[in-house]
Amino acid sequence: GNSVTQMEGPVTLSEEAFLTINCTYTATGYPSLFWYVQYPGEGLQLLLKATKADDKGSNKGFEATYRKETTSFHLEKGSVQVSDSAVYFCALKDDGGTSYGKLTFGQGTILTVHP
Amino acid sequence: GAVVSQHPSRVICKSGTSVKIECRSLDFQATTMFWYRQFPKKSLMLMATSNEGSKATYEQGVEKDKFLINHASLTLSTLTVTSAHPEDSSFYICSAGTALNYGYTFGSGTRLTVV
Repeated sequence: GNSVTQMEGPVTLSEEAFLTINCTYTATGYPSLFWYVQYPGEGLQLLLKATKADDKGSNKGFEATYRKETTSFHLEKGSVQVSDSAVYFCALKDDGGTSYGKLTFGQGTILTVHP
Repeated sequence: GAVVSQHPSRVICKSGTSVKIECRSLDFQATTMFWYRQFPKKSLMLMATSNEGSKATYEQGVEKDKFLINHASLTLSTLTVTSAHPEDSSFYICSAGTALNYGYTFGSGTRLTVV
């Protein structure tokens, strides 16, 4: 079946530091990949997505590249801000087979950014 | 953009009572809605997939008689937790999709506390 593995958290950084959150996946088909962000007490917001190999998703200074050869979709940001403190989820959507349309989530990574 | 409204945001109920959570797509017609449960510091667990006008499809291990899902229209799905117990306390999140944004748009979540 499909699975998503994220780096263990929590991650604590100082403002303006470089961020990397690793994400690798296992899928039987050709999935689309996503990063979602969840602020305290809220639902999930789509941060960025990539639908095929070598695509780069980007938004709000965050970016991630769909690497089929390494089955990875690592999230990066060059300079984090305090307002980026949240939980980040990597997810995949399998567009084929019995899992059509369903999202499979990683375990989430808590990011805390200090001033 | 697509907006999903989830209500209530918080609810406290007594053990043995039932609680209904609503998920509405405000500016699009959602042919499919997903219901997730999120445990503290854990990822999202898909509970069921509901398609408008048909019975929900539950994930393995989810009690369909306890978590009643109704998707009577293209803009509304409800999750009813019946005979709630303290172990049902959790954060429940819905997600609504169409052909354009299948599974992308999440509600803000409902914090259920059973006392």
